[in-house]
Amino acid sequence: LAKTTQPISMDSYEGQEVNITCSHNNIATNDYITWYQQFPSQGPRFIIQGYKTKVTNEVASLFIPADRKSSTLSLPRVSLSDTAVYYCLVGPRRGGGADGLTFGKGTHLIIQP
Amino acid sequence: IAGITQAPTSQILAAGRRMTLRCTQDMRHNAMYWYRQDLGLGLRLIHYSNTAGTTGKGEVPDGYSVSRANTDDFPLTLASAVPSQTSVYFCASSDEPTDEQFFGPGTRLTVL
Repeated sequence: LAKTTQPISMDSYEGQEVNITCSHNNIATNDYITWYQQFPSQGPRFIIQGYKTKVTNEVASLFIPADRKSSTLSLPRVSLSDTAVYYCLVGPRRGGGADGLTFGKGTHLIIQP
Repeated sequence: IAGITQAPTSQILAAGRRMTLRCTQDMRHNAMYWYRQDLGLGLRLIHYSNTAGTTGKGEVPDGYSVSRANTDDFPLTLASAVPSQTSVYFCASSDEPTDEQFFGPGTRLTVL
């Protein structure tokens, strides 16, 4: 299983761009990288998924270098409501089975006014 | 509203008792999962099912069992609860393994 390592916590301020990096040195060829967001007392919610280079959607961007041993979730112009735990997930996209899923321990992002 | 429901919301259980946590989804997803979440340890996969009729062990399966008799339901059973099983349990589903997972609201279980 591809294990992941993330910072335990990060602080930032409203309006800033926040970048959270996840290390996954043992990522397999058919593994994708997925990020989830979790608020207190709720289940995690999907943010973004990618395989290589850059992926962007309406809430975030995901940067993946050529060696794919790390990835960076970028949140543009954060607000107080972005305070949450962010999880990095590495596993096969289709057909590989759920036994390849590994959640990191998560990064607690705290946004201050 | 389509989604995943879990029951009960919370439960206090005496050690040694049997307990089944229920999970139902109405999205006709093929894959379903059970996770436990403990402070400082993040989410850990207990069991999964890639399709109805099949199940598999995750990272922390000991003390838990699951069944997948149909597409919609994926119950998690603790045959004889122990205090170390005190946790918040989340059920999730996805159309295909490792596609976007949709999570239920969670069950908070306390074993005394």
